[in-house]
Parts: sequence; C-alpha cells; structure tokens
Amino acid sequence: DTGVSQNPRHKITKRGQNVTFRCDPISEHNRLYWYRQTLGQGPEFLTYFQNEAQLEKSRLLSDRFSAERPKGSFSTLEIQRTEQGDSAMYLCASSFGTGTYNSPLHFGNGTRLTVT
Amino acid sequence: AQTVTQSQPEMSVQEAETVTLSCTYDTSESDYYLFWYKQPPSRQMILVIRQEAYKQQNATENRFSVNFQKAAKSFSLKISDSQLGDAAMYFCAYRSVTGANNLFFGTGTRLTVIP
Repeated sequence: DTGVSQNPRHKITKRGQNVTFRCDPISEHNRLYWYRQTLGQGPEFLTYFQNEAQLEKSRLLSDRFSAERPKGSFSTLEIQRTEQGDSAMYLCASSFGTGTYNSPLHFGNGTRLTVT
Repeated sequence: AQTVTQSQPEMSVQEAETVTLSCTYDTSESDYYLFWYKQPPSRQMILVIRQEAYKQQNATENRFSVNFQKAAKSFSLKISDSQLGDAAMYFCAYRSVTGANNLFFGTGTRLTVIP
C-alpha cells in the first residue's frame, strides 16, 4: 500500500493559464474524490468517481474545472483560465465502496496551487 | 444540507494531559458516519477515529476516544496522554449512509501541545 499519490506537490501559474493535476489512488480503491482546501478552512468536496464514472459534482466545480478518470485508476483535475481565487490546496482521496458501504477515505498530500 | 461546526479554532494542551475537541453537526438523517481527521503540518489528512451513528457505544482508538451524543448532534474527540506528535489541525467530518458519498468537513481546530 503506497498510499494516495498526488503530483505535482506545488504549482505556481499565472492567471489565465491552464493547469492539470494528477492523482493516483490506492490500487484496490474504486472510488476517488477531489476536494479543495483554502487556508483556515476544511476541505470542500468537488467531485467523486466510482471507477471511471463521474457520479457527483459540486456546484463549486465551475465550467473551468474538469476531472477525468479514464480507466478507473488515476485521475486528473484540470483548471482552465485560472483565476486568483483558484489558489488553494487540491486534495485527492480514495476509498473502496460498494452500494452504501464505503471504507474510510485515504487522502493524498495534496497539490498546492498558487495563481499569480 | 449537512453542516459541521467546530467552535474552537485553537486549543492547547500540556504534554501528557487530556484535551477535548468539540464538534456539532446538523442533519435530518438517522443513519450516518462521523469522523475525526488529523492534518499535521505535512498536510496529509489521516483518519483518527470513526463512529457509526447506529452504534450507541463510543468509538475508541488507543489514546483517542469520542463522546457521541446523537440526540444533541454532538461528536467530541478526547485525546488522552497528549503527545507532541498530536499537534495538528483536527477536522470533524460527516458522511451520509445513502446518497452522496462525500465528506462534509468542519473548519478545523488547531491543537498545540506544550512540552
């Protein structure tokens, strides 16, 4: 069990640029989550996948945000035309679940995005 | 929508002493899960303890225990024999049994352990 891996750890970009983050979940986990955490706040849910299907999207996930999990393994989160308000820590988590059962979420170290 | 409230932005405890972190939540559901996560300065969230709402017995994990009061919608975390490594942000979180699988987090409590 190597844990949830996120890359890059840090990303600095200029406003208007596109950025993409990657998350590699724990291998046997079929569920994958993206959260955003700003300073002094708890993580806020963005989106959730079960295998390759994106089952839930938060209203926080504007049209500039898109997430994929093409083969049900790793996932990418892309932010287009970044804004300064996108600066945050982006956390990925994974779990194993069937139906209403869900194991506890395991989190990665996060990707810290700074938009200048 | 479910909300989770942590009313203590910061707490401190002397090493080897006991501290209790508070959490309240609002829900109309009868069955759900509650969690405490720890986030050290390295930023990785680590599960500390979890409680199923249908279980009356309070969960315990070594030095960590909870006081779950379902009627009051209260879920506090007690850390006994506090250690320097316990210093971190602590987040209380709620998850529904049905429907959404995501966690709703509180705003966190920063715990300082004084040597």
